[in-house]
Amino acid sequence: DGGITQSPKYLFRKEGQNVTLSCEQNLNHDAMYWYRQDPGQGLRLIYYSQIVNDFQKGDIAEGYSVSREKKESFPLTVTSAQKNPTAFYLCASSLDRDTEAFFGQGTRLTVV
Amino acid sequence: QKEVEQNSGPLSVPEGAIASLNCTYSDRGSQSFFWYRQYSGKSPELIMSIYSNGDKEDGRFTAQLNKASQYVSLLIRDSQPSDSATYLCAVNGEDGGSQGNLIFGKGTKLSVKP
Repeated sequence: DGGITQSPKYLFRKEGQNVTLSCEQNLNHDAMYWYRQDPGQGLRLIYYSQIVNDFQKGDIAEGYSVSREKKESFPLTVTSAQKNPTAFYLCASSLDRDTEAFFGQGTRLTVV
Repeated sequence: QKEVEQNSGPLSVPEGAIASLNCTYSDRGSQSFFWYRQYSGKSPELIMSIYSNGDKEDGRFTAQLNKASQYVSLLIRDSQPSDSATYLCAVNGEDGGSQGNLIFGKGTKLSVKP
């Protein structure tokens, strides 16, 4: 089955802990994106990558880090510097920068 | 800052009616336009892509694009309660720096009443 897989579906983080959210796609897409969505709010861009080994900061990159070492993988680390990490995190990919993006099922992160 | 504007709603229509969702965008160089549907607690799902002026129909959905007016719309015919969701408009233009190249509106919440 082709698609975008995010894991885990639910994640709990203790104060001061780093956590990594996984995003894998087998669609052979060049571009990948990470968004954050808070309740009742729109999507906010955290990081995006248009090609392997390259990525750019989005509007809310502070407290987050990413890597793009493989075309199919774009993991997001939520660091302890992110003071309000509780949110719904969405990964997406697109064939290139001009075509439609497809989303994974999301990871819901909660600070405990 | 490039913007994509949508009425947040809620837009309430009776079952069987036509729902009309509107979106305006600020970047005149935008070339690709998308509509997504997002059910509560779920991830967005692509329902329509449109790239040229005019109408594009897919089943009960019709996307309309007017680049001169910088306006995109989505019509849903014979609305069903299962269409109740938030509809996101997305516009793809030139590289937007920290906004990226794919910019989303905040979405319009649609409620279809039986």
